[in-house]
Amino acid sequence: DAGVTQSPTHLIKTRGQQVTLRCSPKSGHDTVSWYQQALGQGPQFIFQYYEEEERQRGNFPDRFSGHQFPNYSSELNVNALLLGDSALYLCASSSPVGGYTFGSGTRLTVV
Amino acid sequence: KNEVEQSPQNLTAQEGEFITINCSYSVGISALHWLQQHPGGGIVSLFMLSSGKKKHGRLIATINIQEKHSSLHITASHPRDSAVYICAVRMDSNYQLIWGAGTKLIIKP
Repeated sequence: DAGVTQSPTHLIKTRGQQVTLRCSPKSGHDTVSWYQQALGQGPQFIFQYYEEEERQRGNFPDRFSGHQFPNYSSELNVNALLLGDSALYLCASSSPVGGYTFGSGTRLTVV
Repeated sequence: KNEVEQSPQNLTAQEGEFITINCSYSVGISALHWLQQHPGGGIVSLFMLSSGKKKHGRLIATINIQEKHSSLHITASHPRDSAVYICAVRMDSNYQLIWGAGTKLIIKP
């Protein structure tokens, strides 16, 4: 049984570009949360998707947007990349009664 | 004051020692998670607790709901246990996890 799958694992982008990160949740999980973890810091909550809707959002600008598909997979989109967007982006899936399963993350470097 | 407090912030021990990491929280929760992150790596969920005690191999996690406190214990510690251990709570009234600052554990051979 696969856990959470994130792609790509590493990515280098230029300032001003746009990026899309992908997440496939663990089988049986219907909720996907995205976190940003800057180097040496704890994860910061970006948003959570449930039933294809953004259910809750953290303190991130509108440049960060997402989507959840009918198969529960999710995308995180970041527009107009800034150097400060360089971080490890973590996806976590969960179910209403279960715990969280985390992906290995996507390491985004903005140059 | 943070809603989730962990102690110690850093811990260095010799191989074989018994390790305890503590977590206190100030909000109503539906579950508490202990997570592990190796340097540069993703996050692995070790335990999810809503009451009592859980054991997996050399790891033991306990929670006291009345005292709003949880502990993670590692028996017979090994250098490969070196990582950051994070306590995170799922609140009754919130969908996101609230994270502790993490405990950086180093086990020396």
